[in-house]
Amino acid sequence: QQQVKQSPQSLIVQKGGISIINCAYENTAFDYFPWYQQFPGKGPALLIAIRPDVSEKKEGRFTISFNKSAKQFSLHIMDSQPGDSATYFCAASMGSGNNAGNMLTFGGGTRLMVKP
Amino acid sequence: DGGITQSPKYLFRKEGQNVTLSCEQNLNHDAMYWYRQDPGQGLRLIYYSQIVNDFQKGDIAEGYSVSREKKESFPLTVTSAQKNPTAFYLCASSFTRRDRLLHFGNGTRLTVT
Repeated sequence: QQQVKQSPQSLIVQKGGISIINCAYENTAFDYFPWYQQFPGKGPALLIAIRPDVSEKKEGRFTISFNKSAKQFSLHIMDSQPGDSATYFCAASMGSGNNAGNMLTFGGGTRLMVKP
Repeated sequence: DGGITQSPKYLFRKEGQNVTLSCEQNLNHDAMYWYRQDPGQGLRLIYYSQIVNDFQKGDIAEGYSVSREKKESFPLTVTSAQKNPTAFYLCASSFTRRDRLLHFGNGTRLTVT
């Protein structure tokens, strides 16, 4: 059972456009929502993360928007560049403190292609 | 440079053979993890270890085994009991089990025919 649903599976955006990737979660105990970026042949790397006490977090061209009541969060990439072409994963975890409480649950991934 | 090294990058095996994937880290992290990546399914947790000589099953542990004899090393064995072993395998680590920042290796692509 996938607790974090990510859409779309693939996305094509023109250079300079806005890329938007959405995620929805079910477990209201989740309290940490990171986004990971993965280039082909590489492992994922943390891009940006948010906690539910804020509705938005921005780092450069990357913004996370968080809607706690809807149990949704999204990644916006402004002024998308060909170098942003990668697979993006959203994830969620809860800090319950038990052995598995901090395990990340990942979404299915979005393959982004930014056309020049 | 600190990091996680996975080897080999590509691995080919015949069906029915066990195969061991290597993962070494020099980040002095206590916790280590193995994930399996399949298209459209994201990353699924196979096993994790919070400390030397201790490990727990993740969501899809069937057909896999691990060991954690040294802090730096967390090898994964894909056994012949794994029904669909062809996948991209990622090893990760974190400073402690409570640290939710994962550092990933560059993965091993396993093909079983």
